[in-house]
Amino acid sequence: DTTVKQNPRYKLARVGKPVNLICSQTMNHDTMYWYQKKPNQAPKLLLFYYDKILNREADTFEKFQSSRPNNSFCSLYIGSAGLEYSAMYLCASSLGQYNYAEQFFGPGTRLTVL
Amino acid sequence: AQKVTQTQTSISVMEKTTVTMDCVYETQDSSYFLFWYKQTASGEIVFLIRQDSYKKENATVGHYSLNFQKPKSSIGLIITATQIEDSAVYFCAMREGDSGTYQRFGTGTKLQVVP
Repeated sequence: DTTVKQNPRYKLARVGKPVNLICSQTMNHDTMYWYQKKPNQAPKLLLFYYDKILNREADTFEKFQSSRPNNSFCSLYIGSAGLEYSAMYLCASSLGQYNYAEQFFGPGTRLTVL
Repeated sequence: AQKVTQTQTSISVMEKTTVTMDCVYETQDSSYFLFWYKQTASGEIVFLIRQDSYKKENATVGHYSLNFQKPKSSIGLIITATQIEDSAVYFCAMREGDSGTYQRFGTGTKLQVVP
């Protein structure tokens, strides 16, 4: 099974409210990533877990949080959603210890903030 | 710092023809890995093919192949005998071998294959 699953597939949130997105994989990958994807833009890496170590991008450090309670699951948490958070959120996993390893992506969660 | 650039935003080709999508990259590392991914209309992103910087031979998988021009820091994706279902957005990505911890993506090229 080479699938990455994401829940929910669609999320509607109000400005100022929290949002929690879930991702799971059963490939025993050591690394899990979260990307934000907006139309006509490159997938933007928000953060990733290498094993239990969280790495967050400098420009999104305070906007997104994450947890990885076990190897298979990873969440993305937005404490207070703003309009600018409306986007597709993609979870991916890989054998991050190997630089040549490709990433496996989930189907994404489309977040709309109103 | 690593950078990946795809200048073609959209391409339209006739079915059964060959198309090349361009990608140029910047890196200070001597070792790096280049990837191409496909995003379908449903939004799913799947890995297609990879080129290792230290390999001179161009990678080939099915009807996908790469045109790796190291002196030009270029990695083109070639699709031969295109099919309607090849219509998608194609992303180029790079991970540095010496200092990179993750892949950096280009902005993508939208390919439309018409009958």
